[in-house]
Amino acid sequence: AQKITQTQPGMFVQEKEAVTLDCTYDTSDPSYGLFWYKQPSSGEMIFLIYQGSYDQQNATEGRYSLNFQKARKSANLVISASQLGDSAMYFCAMSPGYNQGGKLIFGQGTELSVKP
Amino acid sequence: GAGVSQSPSNKVTEKGKDVELRCDPISGHTALYWYRQSLGQGLEFLIYFQGNSAPDKSGLPSDRFSAERTGGSVSTLTIQRTQQEDSAVYLCASSSGLFGETQYFGPGTRLLVL
Repeated sequence: AQKITQTQPGMFVQEKEAVTLDCTYDTSDPSYGLFWYKQPSSGEMIFLIYQGSYDQQNATEGRYSLNFQKARKSANLVISASQLGDSAMYFCAMSPGYNQGGKLIFGQGTELSVKP
Repeated sequence: GAGVSQSPSNKVTEKGKDVELRCDPISGHTALYWYRQSLGQGLEFLIYFQGNSAPDKSGLPSDRFSAERTGGSVSTLTIQRTQQEDSAVYLCASSSGLFGETQYFGPGTRLLVL
């Protein structure tokens, strides 16, 4: 079955420190995409970063990087130099299979709190 | 440019009433998705449109839920005979439709069924 697992319901990090949010996935499709979204308390879903299953290098977007370990089926999000504005829910999502229309399967989310 | 818009922002209705939720995707995006976010179930996929057709309706929870898309643009999600368990945030997203392309989300409609 296709599934995303985020095992950390809540995380705390000190401002300016780096933090890693865990995500593991399960799929039998060779082609898939992995996404991270941020959802602040206001509710909007903000795209952060994308990793394709055939991408050789880990994706990076500014302070965000994705630690993609294909053999372990993990796609952890690393946020460097945390800021107070990074406090939010973070969702890992998978787009399974080239022919499945791009629907996203989401994990349960991790609530990140950045302490001053 | 304009993002995905949804209306209404909030909807309170009585059990048994029908509701319509609207989504206006980013101009030019051929793919449109509806998701539901509730406390107990997290974020769930409901239905996917490519143009005006819906090749994947697998996430619709019951036959009380239906959706349509007209002109390859605006989509309406209809819930008939609402139940209290339908209370959730309904999120719409759109993308270019190509595999791996980012889905951009609207602000959602918060539905409360009394």
